[in-house]
Amino acid sequence: DAKTTQPPSMDCAEGRAANLPCNHSTISGNEYVYWYRQIHSQGPQYIIHGLKNNETNEMASLIITEDRKSSTLILPHATLRDTAVYYCIVRGSGSARQLTFGSGTQLTVLP
Amino acid sequence: NAGVTQTPKFQVLKTGQSMTLQCAQDMNHEYMSWYRQDPGMGLRLIHYSVGAGITDQGEVPNGYNVSRSTTEDFPLRLLSAAPSQTSVYFCASISGTGVLSEQFFGPGTRLTVL
Repeated sequence: DAKTTQPPSMDCAEGRAANLPCNHSTISGNEYVYWYRQIHSQGPQYIIHGLKNNETNEMASLIITEDRKSSTLILPHATLRDTAVYYCIVRGSGSARQLTFGSGTQLTVLP
Repeated sequence: NAGVTQTPKFQVLKTGQSMTLQCAQDMNHEYMSWYRQDPGMGLRLIHYSVGAGITDQGEVPNGYNVSRSTTEDFPLRLLSAAPSQTSVYFCASISGTGVLSEQFFGPGTRLTVL
């Protein structure tokens, strides 16, 4: 699975959009981009995933660049409860189902 | 649906003691796994199971044993606890197959080994 690079921390004002970047320059054609988050002391929680098209669900939007070398997770109206560590993970169709977690981005939503 | 449950929530052991961390899921998922998370780090895979009677090692299996006698349960055994095993342990089960599967994590067990 391709390696990902994320900033270690970001701040966002409550009510504003939080844009979390992820670089995955070695991603290959059959690899998906997954996002999970981990709120303090809890188990990780699935947010969204995508291959090459932009995706949206009730939690977030995922924007993947045309060359697929980077992506951005967007939380459209961040709340204090969105404060968490966000993990960007790349997995291929041939991978076993376990996830490889990096250090993630600590997002702090400020009142 | 309780999802993935883990017991105990907290545990303190002395070096050399053994114990079993319990994990159960009620979603009828075939695939389950155990991760550990050390302070400030991401999760690392210890062991996983693709179905009852089948287990395999992950990234950091030393010092841990697993078994899978039923679909629902996947206990993790520490054979002889060491301070290096102080960590938070998460159990997960996975829906579906292949790359589009989604992982469901339990609430974690905080283990301290003195």
